[in-house]
Formats: sequence, structure tokens, C-alpha cells
Amino acid sequence: SAVISQKPSRDICQRGTSLTIQCQVDSQVTMMFWYRQQPGQSLTLIATANQGSEATYESGFVIDKFPISRPNLTFSTLTVSNMSPEDSSIYLCSVEVLRPSTDTQYFGPGTRLTVL
Amino acid sequence: GENVEQHPSTLSVQEGDSAVIKCTYSDSASNYFPWYKQELGKGPQLIIDIRSNVGEKKDQRIAVTLNKTAKHFSLHITETQPEDSAVYFCAASLSSGYSTLTFGKGTMLLVSP
Repeated sequence: SAVISQKPSRDICQRGTSLTIQCQVDSQVTMMFWYRQQPGQSLTLIATANQGSEATYESGFVIDKFPISRPNLTFSTLTVSNMSPEDSSIYLCSVEVLRPSTDTQYFGPGTRLTVL
Repeated sequence: GENVEQHPSTLSVQEGDSAVIKCTYSDSASNYFPWYKQELGKGPQLIIDIRSNVGEKKDQRIAVTLNKTAKHFSLHITETQPEDSAVYFCAASLSSGYSTLTFGKGTMLLVSP
């Protein structure tokens, strides 16, 4: 498995500002993922961050709104830009751990964002 | 793309009873099916997973069954305990070294003492 930490754990922000969320994993991983979970809802994939290449965004998510960095094999950041109240969600990072014949994702604890 | 349906959305059981959560998927090429448990204020925790070359997998009180022909898989929890109360998510993916998970909408399980 993998131990994943996220910072901050929660934040309250004003509309129009930006917040950068950090994700740190205790081992080197190739694939890291960023998800959004709106209150009471399921998980929606925002983008996949592969070290050394540009992030791949899912339909409905764009780089200008959610820029992602992946500077090394244990760290990634997601920025939520020009925030509005609709961005209030839990943001989760996950990592893919490759085991023999198994590809498994483990999740961090999440960042709870409230935009006023 | 893949679509995962999950039922029921809420499930209430008495302590000691069994609980079953069912999911169906649309893409017959999907071959990896994990289940996650999410407690209030925490991130999802992987509790069990199954691959398409296996019909059933068990881990203590938790088991998962897979029917590839019908494209559905189920989570079975026996001898439920209050600490099993959480939201459970099923997911499906095509495992090829780059697994993009598609999640169901979740089931809130409440186990009453």
C-alpha cells in the first residue's frame, strides 16, 4: 500500500482567490490522480498526473482552472483557480501502486474546501 | 465510456445481520473491480478488490463476487458491526498499467446496535 498525506486538510477561501493543494506519498509512484467529491456525491476524476509529462484532464475540467504540477515521483499539487462557491468540495489525490498483475489506487485523506 | 450503477443508495441493518451492495457496469472490457469504504471526514479506503479472472474473493467478513456475463459484482459483509457504518463505493476499470476508475454513486450503510 502507500501512505498519502494532503495539505491543507481544510480551508475556507474567498471567491476569486486560488488555493494550492499538496499531495505527498511515502514511496515513488508513476501515476497520481486528482478527484473532486462534491458534498454527498461520488468521486469524479479531474486529471491524471504522470511524472515528467503534462497532466491529462477529463472532460469538463481544464488546465486554466485546475493547473497541476508533478515535479517528482512522490509529490503533486493541484491548484483551484479563481474560485467560486461551486468549487466547494473535497479534493482527493490518489496514487496507483503496481503490484504483480494488480493496479490499485490508494487515496489521501482529502482537502475540504469551502468557498464563500 | 464506462458507466457504473450502484444499489441501494442507503442500507440499514441490525448488528450481526449481513449486508449486500450490488453494482453493474457497462463496458465488458473492464477487468478490475475495487470496493472502497469512506468514513465521515476521511478519504476512501480500499477494502477489497477483484479481477475478472476470479469469480469470488473473501477477506474475513467481507467478500466480493463477480459475474462477468451479467456484468455485475457485489459486496457482501457478514456479521455487521456498528463500525461498518460508512459510505461504500464500487468502481470499475480497464487495468492496463493506467487504471482510470469509474465510481458508482455510493451506498450509505448504517448498522444499528
